[in-house]
Amino acid sequence: QKEVEQDPGPLSVPEGAIVSLNCTYSNSAFQYFMWYRQYSRKGPELLMYTYSSGNKEDGRFTAQVDKSSKYISLFIRDSQPSDSATYLCAMSGDSGGSNYKLTFGKGTLLTVNP
Amino acid sequence: DTGVSQDPRHKITKRGQNVTFRCDPISEHNRLYWYRQTLGQGPEFLTYFQNEAQLEKSRLLSDRFSAERPKGSFSTLEIQRTEQGDSAMYLCASSLTGGFFKQFFGPGTRLTVL
Repeated sequence: QKEVEQDPGPLSVPEGAIVSLNCTYSNSAFQYFMWYRQYSRKGPELLMYTYSSGNKEDGRFTAQVDKSSKYISLFIRDSQPSDSATYLCAMSGDSGGSNYKLTFGKGTLLTVNP
Repeated sequence: DTGVSQDPRHKITKRGQNVTFRCDPISEHNRLYWYRQTLGQGPEFLTYFQNEAQLEKSRLLSDRFSAERPKGSFSTLEIQRTEQGDSAMYLCASSLTGGFFKQFFGPGTRLTVL
């Protein structure tokens, strides 16, 4: 079993839809949870990060972490064609632990159709 | 542009040749990371530097791979005697020590080994 599991999709939605992306993980040492967006043949771009459990909102994006279930989500409201990309979840341990590397999911390919 | 830069963006080489990639991090970032990403997968950690010291290496980093960060500024990743299995996107990221979970990635170097 991989440390981080993410459904690779592809996921296709109409413009304006609410998109739900998620990851599960097995390593209870993970404390930081990130979402990256990666356009084709580009480097990943950090969208949001969350520490421990809870919700965080930034514009049209909401990140949720449920450590008891080892489950994280990213919601995109009012999705736009420009949101079409691969979304990667990433996780890291706390300072004093493996606080250097990010462990990524495979990424979910999202297409938002006009 | 004050982001992470990588050079070259693309490299095509023949099996058995040596290749070297360069990464210039965000200037105030003291941590620099190297990741490898293959098609349909998320980035996988290879190694990282705290200033000029290389502190961790993944077992993915075989003896044919070597990385340096002289003077704690730019970094180079060299692959000796390339193999077809080395074909991948090589990503560099940087962060502050206290913000290790906020890693900012460069555009990557896409390596093709023929």
